[in-house]
Amino acid sequence: DGGITQSPKYLFRKEGQNVTLSCEQNLNHDAMYWYRQDPGQGLRLIYYSQIVNDFQKGDIAEGYSVSREKKESFPLTVTSAQKNPTAFYLCASSKSTGTGMYTGELFFGEGSRLTVL
Amino acid sequence: SQQGEEDPQALSIQEGENATMNCSYKTSINNLQWYRQNSGRGLVHLILIRSNEREKHSGRLRVTLDTSKKSSSLLITASRAADTASYFCATAPSTGSARQLTFGSGTQLTVLP
Repeated sequence: DGGITQSPKYLFRKEGQNVTLSCEQNLNHDAMYWYRQDPGQGLRLIYYSQIVNDFQKGDIAEGYSVSREKKESFPLTVTSAQKNPTAFYLCASSKSTGTGMYTGELFFGEGSRLTVL
Repeated sequence: SQQGEEDPQALSIQEGENATMNCSYKTSINNLQWYRQNSGRGLVHLILIRSNEREKHSGRLRVTLDTSKKSSSLLITASRAADTASYFCATAPSTGSARQLTFGSGTQLTVLP
């Protein structure tokens, strides 16, 4: 079955540690995204990538880093510089709807819940 | 900044009743999408309505779009307990940029058996 796989589902971090969240897709989608969701709120865009070896900052990129070495993979690192990292993190992908256009539906993983101890 | 804002923030109804959620947005759009999120899970796409469409149906879902008022509504008919979830609208800008699909803060729907 095609889809997006996020791991781990739950992650605990001590202050000062970096942690990496995995996101893999087998949908052959060009674009991949990382969102952060806080309780009772909507999704805020952290980073996105439209092509291998290229990615762009979203609205809340500070304290996060990403890489896109393969089309299928878009890992997110939450660094120690992120002051309030406890949140639910969602990875998504979408296919191009035209040259440089991404207006179609997003496909989401099941999320990773990060808690700072 | 959040483009779409849902109303109400929370809605509680009895099984069998209809549920209506509204979404307002600020700038011109290519399309508007509705997503569902069960507690602690990822979002699932429900329906997409393009800017040149006024109404769209999918099973028990009916979506309307009024571009002059920059608003949309999602109607779930004959609701079931399994419809309990958060519902989000998301707007895709007319520029088509991957960056700018923005989500509202959601409506929490509770369907009581």
